[in-house]
Amino acid sequence: GNSVTQMEGPVTLSEEAFLTINCTYTATGYPSLFWYVQYPGEGLQLLLKATKADDKGSNKGFEATYRKETTSFHLEKGSVQVSDSAVYFCALILTGGFKTIFGAGTRLFVKA
Amino acid sequence: EADIYQTPRYLVIGTGKKITLECSQTMGHDKMYWYQQDPGMELHLIHYSYGVNSTEKGDLSSESTVSRIRTEHFPLTLESARPSHTSQYLCASSDRQGFSSMNTEAFFGQGTRLTVV
Repeated sequence: GNSVTQMEGPVTLSEEAFLTINCTYTATGYPSLFWYVQYPGEGLQLLLKATKADDKGSNKGFEATYRKETTSFHLEKGSVQVSDSAVYFCALILTGGFKTIFGAGTRLFVKA
Repeated sequence: EADIYQTPRYLVIGTGKKITLECSQTMGHDKMYWYQQDPGMELHLIHYSYGVNSTEKGDLSSESTVSRIRTEHFPLTLESARPSHTSQYLCASSDRQGFSSMNTEAFFGQGTRLTVV
């Protein structure tokens, strides 16, 4: 079936370290791909998205590239800050679909 | 910023009480969703709606019910709350992109944290 798999957390980094959170998906067709972020006590916010192969989504220093050949959408940031501490969800919407399929979430802790 | 609102943000209530969690959006979106989020963070879709007068059960069975009488409003009701209903409940909405067949990303409210004692 259709699904999203992301790396288990928690991920703990020091400030200014490089971040990668891996995400792979299983889906028919060409889904749209998303990264959401959830700060403590809040709902989810869209961080970035990509709607077709080789698209790169970017926002607030975060980037992810839609790789059709490896069915991946890994999240990266060159230099994390304490304020990036949150839970990150990879997600997809199937072509012609509307429901979002979420990964299990990865918690990120950034130490000063 | 997304215009989707949930009330209350926090609710502590006794076992057996009836509760309604409110969700409203001002974006005119046709689709709305309720998710239950467990302490391990995973999101479970419990209800969704295609539009007015449409309600469907999600992937995770829930004792709650929903209604969609107006486009902007999608309340969730528990007739008799139990401690097992303690959780974070997130409401979301989405819509079609213009005249295309693609749907937008989901926009989320801030959530209601429910504790049943």
